[in-house]
Amino acid sequence: QVQLQESGPGLVNPSETLSLTCIVSGSIVHYYWTWFRQSPGKGLEYIGYIHHTGTTDYNPSLKSRITMSVDTSKNQFSLKLTSVTAADTAVYYCASDRGSGYSDYWGQGILVTVSS
Amino acid sequence: DIQMTQSPSTLSASVGDRVTITCRASQSISVWLAWYQHNPGRAPKLLIYKASSLEIGVPPRFSGSGAGTEFTLTISSLQPDDFATYYCQQYNSSPWTFGQGTKVEI
Repeated sequence: QVQLQESGPGLVNPSETLSLTCIVSGSIVHYYWTWFRQSPGKGLEYIGYIHHTGTTDYNPSLKSRITMSVDTSKNQFSLKLTSVTAADTAVYYCASDRGSGYSDYWGQGILVTVSS
Repeated sequence: DIQMTQSPSTLSASVGDRVTITCRASQSISVWLAWYQHNPGRAPKLLIYKASSLEIGVPPRFSGSGAGTEFTLTISSLQPDDFATYYCQQYNSSPWTFGQGTKVEI
């Protein structure tokens, strides 16, 4: 069974870069590693995924500001979101996807607040 | 993007009730739909994938049906652990999109 844990700063200044890491217990190979977020009072939003080979898919609404990476030696993958605003305040979740498009395991989420 | 609309937004029910949640897609997504259960502060949990396939370990009181643009999640006999928010997600085409959620409350 895969377990995931998000880590990163809980507070980011406007216009700066949000950086999150997801640590995977279990094999990081053969999965697609996905990021979602949920803004206060809103539904879930797909951010994008990365495969261990480096293949990515980003939500077009965020594509210009996103970079995802995977480090197989550390069993972790990461998300960077640049030029953040208050609208990027959300609980961010990492999740695993076997390649079908649905996520079978999720982290508990990390609240990131964008504020000065 | 494909828009997903769930109804109702909130559902009041009692233990033992049969509960049905509906999810509609703005265009056909075949059977590429998943259902998740979410409690605040906890990891979302996959219940159903491919519209009607029960994820391993999920109690059989949960079932899913539908194809095309209309889907349902049914809980045959509501248990105390089932009071949560439920989301549908389409994965027919990227970007994956979710319904706005249905909160099942006492």
